[in-house]
Amino acid sequence: AQSVTQPDIHITVSEGASLELRCNYSYGATPYLFWYVQSPGQGLQLLLKYFSGDTLVQGIKGFEAEFKRSQSSFNLRKPSVHWSDAAEYFCAVGAFTGANNLFFGTGTRLTVIP
Amino acid sequence: EAGVAQSPRYKIIEKRQSVAFWCNPISGHATLYWYQQILGQGPKLLIQFQNNGVVDDSQLPKDRFSAERLKGVDSTLKIQPAKLEDSAVYLCASSLQIRETQYFGPGTRLLVL
Repeated sequence: AQSVTQPDIHITVSEGASLELRCNYSYGATPYLFWYVQSPGQGLQLLLKYFSGDTLVQGIKGFEAEFKRSQSSFNLRKPSVHWSDAAEYFCAVGAFTGANNLFFGTGTRLTVIP
Repeated sequence: EAGVAQSPRYKIIEKRQSVAFWCNPISGHATLYWYQQILGQGPKLLIQFQNNGVVDDSQLPKDRFSAERLKGVDSTLKIQPAKLEDSAVYLCASSLQIRETQYFGPGTRLLVL
């Protein structure tokens, strides 16, 4: 069965600083991997996804993520954080087979200070 | 392109009452999902439809929750009777087909008193 661990519940960074949000997954085969962002009172917006191919994936809003199979990780990065990036970030893993259920982590809340 | 639409956005009910949520997926999307997101947790899949058939409802508490997608387009999720622990955000998502990217609606925030 799939599972996702986001070890950081809350992260605070200064505006302009770099950001890395951690995600570790457990899955027996090659997974789909996603990062979604959720602003207060909003639904989830897809930032980026990894299906296959290049392990460094570029997304919207200047985000990128790197798939490392040996570490079962899919960490999200941004070189310079903007105040508007403050939100909740969810990592999710899906399967290539079966019903495509997505399993979400518990999320990381990002606070950006001036 | 219009996104996933959900209504109502907010609902407050008392325990043992019933409630229904509506979802209209992105046009042409065959697969529709309902998720439950409890405060402080990630979304958890309740049920998945492919057109008007159920693909997976293994996590749906069938003694109180029901869902339908009769014409393979919009969908309704119902809770009857509601319990305090059903307080959550109910998210609807759709994808073009199974194993395609899922796009989420804004959610319905339910508070059961």
